[in-house]
Amino acid sequence: NAGVMQNPRHLVRRRGQEARLRCSPMKGHSHVYWYRQLPEEGLKFMVYLQKENIIDESGMPKERFSAEFPKEGPSILRIQQVVRGDSAAYFCASSRTNTDGQGDTFGSGTRLTVV
Amino acid sequence: SQELEQSPQSLIVQEGKNLTINCTSSKTLYGLYWYKQKYGEGLIFLMMLQKGGEEKSHEKITAKLDEKKQQSSLHITASQPSHAGIYLCGADNQGGKLIFGQGTELSVKP
Repeated sequence: NAGVMQNPRHLVRRRGQEARLRCSPMKGHSHVYWYRQLPEEGLKFMVYLQKENIIDESGMPKERFSAEFPKEGPSILRIQQVVRGDSAAYFCASSRTNTDGQGDTFGSGTRLTVV
Repeated sequence: SQELEQSPQSLIVQEGKNLTINCTSSKTLYGLYWYKQKYGEGLIFLMMLQKGGEEKSHEKITAKLDEKKQQSSLHITASQPSHAGIYLCGADNQGGKLIFGQGTELSVKP
C-alpha cells in the first residue's frame, strides 16, 4: 500500500509566481489535511478537505492561498503570487474518516523556497 | 483553543544517557501522537496514545499519557546518535485536525 504521496518534494518559485503542491492520499482515504511548517516554528494546521468539500479552513491565510480536493485526482494546495514568507515545508495527511486517526499517514512534504 | 507546550525546547545528552521530553496540553487530550523529524525531512510516526494511563514502547522509546490526560512524556533509554532529531507531539483536536507542540530538538553526543 502506497502511503501519502506529495509532489514535488522541492519547489523553487520566484516572487510573484504561483506554487501548486499536490497530495495523493492513501488508498481508501477521502479526508485530507494540510499543514505548514515555517522555519523555526512548529507545524500549523491549514485546511481540512473531504472529497469536493472544504470542511475546515480556519488555518488558511485569507489571501493568495486556496485548496481543493476534486472527485478525481490529488488534493491541490495553491499559492498565488508567492512571497518570501511563504517559504516553508508543507505537509499533508489523510484519513479514511474524520474520526480515524491521521497520525501515521503524513506525506514527506513539499519544501517551497521563494527566491 | 487547545495549545501544546513541549519541554525542554532543546536537549543535549551524552550517548548512553536517558532522557525525557514532556508535552503538556491546555485541555484534555483525546489522542496524542509522538513524531520524530530529521532536519529538512518529513515526520516519522512513533506512537499514538489515547487512554489515560496508557503506555507504549518501541525499541528504546517509551511514551505515557497521564491519568488526567493532559500530559504525555516520551522517554528514551540509553540514547544513541540515531535518536537525534526534533521530537514533536501532536494532539487530536476532535475536529479531525491535529495541533502540535513547538518541538524538542535532541542532540546526542557520541
